[in-house]
Amino acid sequence: KAGVTQTPRYLIKTRGQQVTLSCSPISGHRSVSWYQQTPGQGLQFLFEYFSETQRNKGNFPGRFSGRQFSNSRSEMNVSTLELGDSALYLCASSFVRQGAYNEQFFGPGTRLTVL
Amino acid sequence: AQKITQTQPGMFVQEKEAVTLDCTYDTSDPSYGLFWYKQPSSGEMIFLIYQGSYDQQNATEGRYSLNFQKARKSANLVISASQLGDSAMYFCAMREGRGETSGSRLTFGEGTQLTVNP
Repeated sequence: KAGVTQTPRYLIKTRGQQVTLSCSPISGHRSVSWYQQTPGQGLQFLFEYFSETQRNKGNFPGRFSGRQFSNSRSEMNVSTLELGDSALYLCASSFVRQGAYNEQFFGPGTRLTVL
Repeated sequence: AQKITQTQPGMFVQEKEAVTLDCTYDTSDPSYGLFWYKQPSSGEMIFLIYQGSYDQQNATEGRYSLNFQKARKSANLVISASQLGDSAMYFCAMREGRGETSGSRLTFGEGTQLTVNP
């Protein structure tokens, strides 16, 4: 079974631009979560989508948004990029079933650099 | 408030020896799950082991075991017979609530960089 895939793997943007990152979960997984990883703040939760609905949201400004499609693929968008948005963005998918621990499987990440 | 604390920024261990990575957590939710992930330099997070708050026994997965002390709110990872490939960053994470109803949100600790020496 194929793992979580993220595209692109690397991205360089300039301040003020916007960017869209894509995540394809493991087949059958309906939950997709996004995390931002930076040296200063560590791993921080952005949001989770489940069956095309945002189920949880972290403490990030409205410039960060996401969506999930009917095939469970997810995109996250960052508008008006700032230097501090430079980070590794990780996507994780989970099957979500009652009685199980529903571990999250992570993709390889998209490394975003904002100049 | 910090919910996951990993107090060891870096740890060193000799190949074939065992090592314990510390993790303490804080939650008022009686239902929660604790996870350990490994992150090599490539960046991908690799799931290692899980412990549920209601699990009576400590979790084990191959060379990994979790020393779960609920009263102390600690969930230490034990790696037996360390290998050179174990060198990586290790993260402890917690999910509050039951995943199927409360969502999959994980709160991570700051991580421990493990170096295995030959």
